[in-house]
Amino acid sequence: NAGVTQTPKFQVLKTGQSMTLQCAQDMNHNSMYWYRQDPGMGLRLIYYSASEGTTDKGEVPNGYNVSRLNKREFSLRLESAAPSQTSVYFCASREDRPSSYNSPLHFGNGTRLTVT
Amino acid sequence: KNQVEQSPQSLIILEGKNCTLQCNYTVSPFSNLRWYKQDTGRGPVSLTIMTFSENTKSNGRYTATLDADTKQSSLHITASQLSDSASYICVVRSTGTASKLTFGTGTRLQVTL
Repeated sequence: NAGVTQTPKFQVLKTGQSMTLQCAQDMNHNSMYWYRQDPGMGLRLIYYSASEGTTDKGEVPNGYNVSRLNKREFSLRLESAAPSQTSVYFCASREDRPSSYNSPLHFGNGTRLTVT
Repeated sequence: KNQVEQSPQSLIILEGKNCTLQCNYTVSPFSNLRWYKQDTGRGPVSLTIMTFSENTKSNGRYTATLDADTKQSSLHITASQLSDSASYICVVRSTGTASKLTFGTGTRLQVTL
C-alpha cells in the first residue's frame, strides 16, 4: 500500500516562479489536507478538502491555491513563490465519516521547498 | 487561544533507558489527543489516541496518559531503542461544528549508544 504519495521530494525555486505540488492517496479517503512545517512551529493547515469538489481555507492560505482533481488527488499551487514560503509541505488524508470520528491523519513524506 | 505546548524541546538518552515526554494544552472544548512519531525526512505517523474517558493506553513500549482535568498528557517510552530517535508531536482536537486540530511543536528525541 502506497498510502499518501507526494511529488516532488525536493524543489528549489527563485522568487516569483510558480510550481504545483502533487499529492495522491490510495486509501479512498474523502478528506485531504495540505500543511506546512517550519522549524520551531507546529504543523499549520494551508487548505483542506472535505470531499471531491470542495476546498476550504485553513490557517495560512495566503499565497497558495489548491485543486481537488478527483477523490485521489489534491494539488497545491504556488503562483508566485516568496522566500517566506520556504518550508516542508505535507499532504495528508483522513477517513472522515461519523463512524471514524477518531481516525488519524495519514501523511505523505513531504516536499522540501526552498525559495531563493 | 487554543495552544499545545510540549516539553522538553529536545532530549538525548542512552539506549535501554526510559523517558517521558510532556504535552500541556488549552484546547477547548476537548475531543481527543493524539501522539504522532515523525522520523527524520518522513511524515508523522500516529502512535496512539487518547479520548476524554481514557487515562492510560499502551502501544508496545509506548504508554500514553491523559489527565483531562489538568489538561496534560504524557508519552512514556520504555527500554528505548535507536529506532525511537524521532520527533514526537502532540495534537489536540477540539469538538463541535468548528472542530480543528492544534499541533504542538514536538519533542526531538535522540537515543544513543
